[in-house]
Order: sequence, then structure tokens, then C-alpha cells
Amino acid sequence: DAGVIQSPRHEVTEMGQEVTLRCKPISGHNSLFWYRQTMMRGLELLIYFNNNVPIDDSGMPEDRFSAKMPNASFSTLKIQPSEPRDSAVYFCASSPETGGLSSGYTFGSGTRLTVV
Amino acid sequence: GEDVEQSLFLSVREGDSSVINCTYTDSSSTYLYWYKQEPGAGLQLLTYIFSNMDMKQDQRLTVLLNKKDKHLSLRIADTQTGDSAIYFCAETSGSARQLTFGSGTQLTVLP
Repeated sequence: DAGVIQSPRHEVTEMGQEVTLRCKPISGHNSLFWYRQTMMRGLELLIYFNNNVPIDDSGMPEDRFSAKMPNASFSTLKIQPSEPRDSAVYFCASSPETGGLSSGYTFGSGTRLTVV
Repeated sequence: GEDVEQSLFLSVREGDSSVINCTYTDSSSTYLYWYKQEPGAGLQLLTYIFSNMDMKQDQRLTVLLNKKDKHLSLRIADTQTGDSAIYFCAETSGSARQLTFGSGTQLTVLP
């Protein structure tokens, strides 16, 4: 298995532009998670899906952020409009279930977003 | 609410042992995990311990769990420069047993 695949690896955009981050989870994993990592706030859970349904989006910082999972093999995280304070590394992770397993979560390599 | 705490930094000499500590809050956690993040990479599962265990050893790694004090530690024997990374502790918590991560400990191995 190729693992969790995220694209792009790096994204530089201007303030006000729309940004879309993409994630392909491991085949057969039912749960998908979006995290944001910054120096100041560490690793933050933004939203997670179970069987393609959003379960908890309480970590999404503002209405500018939205996430979708149209099918079991694809998810997007969109920021519109983007702001410099959105600059961070965004990770996608997947798991066979939401939690409570020895396998934990499998993380992608992340997308480093820079908003100038 | 759930909270996982770790110290932010640890420096050790190459060849020494490293001990990274973590405290957690959810006494009903089923599994506790240690993840490793190398520069520019995602988090990689290093090891885990089931909550009914006190200790787990895996080559150079030893995990100790003190459920009474809700304290988890990761010991790395014979620490190498390749062990320099950020180490995250995580517990299973919440109604859906999702993982809650600590802030991470930056381990620096000095030659």
C-alpha cells in the first residue's frame, strides 16, 4: 500500500486566494482526519470523517475552512479566502476505525501551506 | 477535557539513554501511543502499549505505563543521531475513542 497520499506537498499562495488540499486515505480505512501543525499551537485536529460522514468539525477554525469526503478514497480541505495566519503544515491521517486500535492512525507526509 | 502533556525539549549525548515523559488524563484510554516525526515528514507510529500492560520493550525502545499516575514514558537506549526528531505521545479518548496528541518533545542528540 502506498500509504496516505497528500497533494500538493508545498503550496504558496497569495492572501485572498482559494486553496484546496487533497488526501487519499489507505484503501479500506473508514476514518479520515485532517490536522494542522504550527509552531505556536502544535498539532490540532480540524475535522474527522467516519464512513465519509463528517463526525466532528469543532476544530475547524473559521467558516473559511471547509472539508469534504465525496467517496471513501478522496477528501479535500478548502480554505477560501486564505490568510497569512493559515500558513502551517496540514496533515491527513486515516485509520481502520475512529480509534482504540493498536494500529493508531497512519499519517500522510503533509502539505506545507504558505500564504503571503 | 482531555489533555496530554509533554516537555518540549530534551537533549542527550549520542550513546546515552533518552527518556521522554508524558502525562495523560483519560483513565479509560485503551491504547497509548508514541509517534515520531522527522523533519519535513509526517508522524510515524513508533510503538504503542495496551492499557492493561505496565511495560513493553521493542529493541531499543521501552515503554513504561503507570496507570495510577497516568504517566507514560519512552526510553530509547543507546540513542543515535538518527533518533533526533519530535516525539508525540497520544491517548485514545472521547466518545469515539479518537487519538489526542501531546505537544511533542523535540529530542536533540549531540555527538
